[in-house]
Amino acid sequence: NAGVTQTPKFQVLKTGQSMTLQCAQDMNHEYMSWYRQDPGMGLRLIHYSVGAGITDQGEVPNGYNVSRSTTEDFPLRLLSAAPSQTSVYFCASVDRAAGNTIYFGEGSWLTVV
Amino acid sequence: DQQVKQNSPSLSVQEGRISILNCDYTNSMFDYFLWYKKYPAEGPTFLISISSIKDKNEDGRFTVFLNKSAKHLSLHIVPSQPGDSAVYFCAASDYGGATNKLIFGTGTLLAVQP
Repeated sequence: NAGVTQTPKFQVLKTGQSMTLQCAQDMNHEYMSWYRQDPGMGLRLIHYSVGAGITDQGEVPNGYNVSRSTTEDFPLRLLSAAPSQTSVYFCASVDRAAGNTIYFGEGSWLTVV
Repeated sequence: DQQVKQNSPSLSVQEGRISILNCDYTNSMFDYFLWYKKYPAEGPTFLISISSIKDKNEDGRFTVFLNKSAKHLSLHIVPSQPGDSAVYFCAASDYGGATNKLIFGTGTLLAVQP
């Protein structure tokens, strides 16, 4: 049972480079989201999607783009990486039928130098 | 302004004893609270939740207590086991658990000593 799968697990980027963090879920959940976790801070919501074709901004959306062309996939794009985007990123999907239980991926460690 | 605070970054407990993890919040409109557990190099996993209409919810060794007047919730683990060693995040929402409105605390690292 795959659940929520994120790739890559580790990435080093140079300032100004762009990249895409991939996320896929096989639970047929409509709701998916991206969080970042930084030292001394809780998980913060970047973007979320309530279904294919629908996305919205979370608490810290600047510097990131998302799209949701299918129910399964929710990629996160860094347009021009900055050192402030060094973080651990978690993709998540939500089972609304089970009290909005969130299922997180294993995380992607991104370092921007 | 941190709306959900976990003031203890770490906690060490002996195996078999009770672990008590605390969480304070400032927004009186929060009506749904959750605890997540996170092992190193893994994503957080849901542990237990409580809505504001209750003051206690139990699930096996885990019990969450909610004190609305003090804006405080706590997670009790009894008895603690070495496998419980992890980071515990509390989270709160003012939309009945709407996940786009969840605010997470900074986490408490629990170490259960054998």
